[in-house]
Amino acid sequence: SSELTQDPAVSVALGQTVRITCQGDSLRSYYASWYQQKPGQAPVFVMYGKNNRPSGIPDRFSGSSSGNTASLTITGAQAEDEAEYYCKSRDSSNYRVFGPGTKVTVL
Amino acid sequence: QVQLLQSGAEVKKPGASVKVSCKGSGYSFPGYFIHWVRQAPGQGLEWMGWINPNSGGTYYAQRFQGRVTMTRDTSINTAYMELSSLTSDDTAVYYCAREFRGDYFDYWGQGTLVTVSS
Repeated sequence: SSELTQDPAVSVALGQTVRITCQGDSLRSYYASWYQQKPGQAPVFVMYGKNNRPSGIPDRFSGSSSGNTASLTITGAQAEDEAEYYCKSRDSSNYRVFGPGTKVTVL
Repeated sequence: QVQLLQSGAEVKKPGASVKVSCKGSGYSFPGYFIHWVRQAPGQGLEWMGWINPNSGGTYYAQRFQGRVTMTRDTSINTAYMELSSLTSDDTAVYYCAREFRGDYFDYWGQGTLVTVSS
């Protein structure tokens, strides 16, 4: 089974841009999806693949993918974007895996 | 609207089993895999496995094989996750999530806290 790696924490000034990355061999074959989780809440799906954003997610969230790396970018970060962000991928048709999460702090 | 509604919190003793339910509404329940994900206190998300509500087929993460059983009852649009031989390490919030086309988890249950304590 493949593993995914993420930076443990990043910080961004209010209104600035932050990029969260996710690396793993499985990302060469399968797109990543991204989930936002705030304390005490269930995860929320925010992005899939190359910039496929579900309805209701602000367009300041964007995604990209290249080689073994997937990225989630928040352009013009807001205070409400402070959260833990997890990437997820799959390894073959059966197995799924989450990254360890990146804590985003908005300063 | 799509909803996944999970059963309430549980407190179990070590060695016991727990069964958590996840009732889907607002969509065709047999048409989407249900996955189970857990989160220990202060930790990240851990994928446990999936069930195909249409066929009943399952796949479990290796570390849970032999201890987890996922089932469903399509007559009431409900999936179940049963975990046996509980230890304190199984104390966590357990989530069910609907998977879209094998690509992403688009809807999540509210979570069920399972506490294992003597």
